[in-house]
Amino acid sequence: GNSVTQMEGPVTLSEEAFLTINCTYTATGYPSLFWYVQYPGEGLQLLLKATKADDKGSNKGFEATYRKETTSFHLEKGSVQVSDSAVYFCALTLSYNTDKLIFGTGTRLQVFP
Amino acid sequence: DAGITQSPRHKVTETGTPVTLRCHQTENHRYMYWYRQDPGHGLRLIHYSYGVKDTDKGEVSDGYSVSRSKTEDFLLTLESATSSQTSVYFCATGQGTNSPLHFGNGTRLTVT
Repeated sequence: GNSVTQMEGPVTLSEEAFLTINCTYTATGYPSLFWYVQYPGEGLQLLLKATKADDKGSNKGFEATYRKETTSFHLEKGSVQVSDSAVYFCALTLSYNTDKLIFGTGTRLQVFP
Repeated sequence: DAGITQSPRHKVTETGTPVTLRCHQTENHRYMYWYRQDPGHGLRLIHYSYGVKDTDKGEVSDGYSVSRSKTEDFLLTLESATSSQTSVYFCATGQGTNSPLHFGNGTRLTVT
């Protein structure tokens, strides 16, 4: 079946450190891939997306590249801030006329000053 | 922000009682979704709607029903709540064709 696997958290970093959160997927077709972020007490917000192989999504200093050969969509940021502390969800959709998302389990990021 | 309001924000109820959660949107999005969020599971789709009176099941639909009588409202009902339904419930809306989903702030439901 279709699924998303994320690295276990929490990920604990000092401010200005480099961030990588791994995400791999299994899909029967050609998925679109997403990263969503959830700040404490809030719903999820779209962080970035990529709709085809080799696309790079980017937003707020975060980047992720759609790698079909390794079925991966790893999230990276060169220099994290305390305000980046949140839970990050990798997700995919295979639907062409709806937005049904399949989510990973989420990775909590904690950034300390 | 898609203007999604979930109510109530918190609820504690007893096993066996009926519970209805409401999602209201102001953006006229065609698609609406109910997800539940549990530790170790991420978000899982309960039910979704692709139009007024048009709904379908997600991966964890047992014990839940939904209704959509107006574009802006999507109700999730637990006919007889169980402790396994203790969770945080999120409503989301979308325009289809891989557009991003917009999420409400969630309803924390505790079944005692």
